Amino acid sequence: GAVVSQHPSRVICKSGTSVKIECRSLDFQATTMFWYRQFPKQSLMLMATSNEGSKATYEQGVEKDKFLINHASLTLSTLTVTSAHPEDSSFYICSAPLDISEKLFFGSGTQLSVL
Amino acid sequence: RKEVEQDPGPFNVPEGATVAFNCTYSNSASQSFFWYRQDCRKEPKLLMSVYSSGNEDGRFTAQLNRASQYISLLIRDSKLSDSATYLCVVPPDNYGQNFVFGPGTRLSVLP
Repeated sequence: GAVVSQHPSRVICKSGTSVKIECRSLDFQATTMFWYRQFPKQSLMLMATSNEGSKATYEQGVEKDKFLINHASLTLSTLTVTSAHPEDSSFYICSAPLDISEKLFFGSGTQLSVL
Repeated sequence: RKEVEQDPGPFNVPEGATVAFNCTYSNSASQSFFWYRQDCRKEPKLLMSVYSSGNEDGRFTAQLNRASQYISLLIRDSKLSDSATYLCVVPPDNYGQNFVFGPGTRLSVLP
């Protein structure tokens, strides 16, 4: 079946640094990818929709200058958390659908800890 | 009304029990639905797809009631490994829309 690969799985960084998370669709082309954030014991929260070849669509309340999304190819989307702060510590996860109404395939997630 | 709502839980059931939880959706045009399970700090994994009135896969049965706009998930003979959060997901029916996730129902199967 379709596979979405996400790296790294865990990042520990100092406050003020930037962290890049990659999400790759391994055996299908993903024109759209979704980025979520999840705090402990809470539901997935959609941050943004990454669109290949165009600007990402951010959800209300998500700072586009802080969470930079690049979807340069049909198989790769990246999320860069710029100038990370402790409150950005969270579980970040990407997903991609095979088609508009098809099931989502998820990356394995990235646990970000900002010290 | 929220787009997708779920029984909040948590559901704490003994091993071997049958448990069911519901998901209600607001978009009457939705045609398909998904149940995912998510373990702590792991990615959601597809459990079942529901395209018509329902679906059954081993101990798991999903039923769709379009008139009342809800999908239920029934788990029979619960195992300890069934402990997880179960997410109800409604895919978009048009480009430009998003997948909508329910808040999840937490299940703990106790020995």
